[in-house]
Amino acid sequence: QQQVKQSPQSLIVQKGGISIINCAYENTAFDYFPWYQQFPGKGPALLIAIRPDVSEKKEGRFTISFNKSAKQFSLHIMDSQPGDSATYFCAAIRSSNTGKLIFGQGTTLQVKP
Amino acid sequence: DADVTQTPRNRITKTGKRIMLECSQTKGHDRMYWYRQDPGLGLRLIYYSFDVKDINKGEISDGYSVSRQAQAKFSLSLESAIPNQTALYFCATKQAGGSGELFFGEGSRLTVL
Repeated sequence: QQQVKQSPQSLIVQKGGISIINCAYENTAFDYFPWYQQFPGKGPALLIAIRPDVSEKKEGRFTISFNKSAKQFSLHIMDSQPGDSATYFCAAIRSSNTGKLIFGQGTTLQVKP
Repeated sequence: DADVTQTPRNRITKTGKRIMLECSQTKGHDRMYWYRQDPGLGLRLIYYSFDVKDINKGEISDGYSVSRQAQAKFSLSLESAIPNQTALYFCATKQAGGSGELFFGEGSRLTVL
């Protein structure tokens, strides 16, 4: 029940295309769903996050879509750029709990010029 | 200077050796975490600490120990390193309450031969 399942493991997209990464969770007590972006040699950094009371959140070219009934959420990167090439992690947390973030398995995105 | 600093950044050691990874932070956060990153497995929580007197096991604590020497310092020890502890290790901090955002260091790559 604590797992967050992420797919695909790797993704190759042409410049200007749309990158889509999907995550699914089981624990309905999760109430905060962040996405982290990690560049080679760096630690993950918060990219965008959503709470389950909204179905979509957009920040620039990055959008989270959230489907509470299906217990799924996804990251969409519009107009993907080579600089977006990185590893992306979805995560979930029960804020009222211990602050332990549960991470997905990660997706390595490569955007080709 | 980085807000969350990990040392060493890279370490190669032999089976059976004792290893310590150190983490210090200047963010003034109460909560500190150690995660391990393996390809295809994402980030898994090893130990976490809410303050100097509070240490908690995460999902994969076997073979590891930690010490919270001060609010700003949290070290991870491998008492007798084994090859399957070869991984990238991350320290992270979080302010109590708030949004749940974790702030990561740049990682310590450990290779156990």
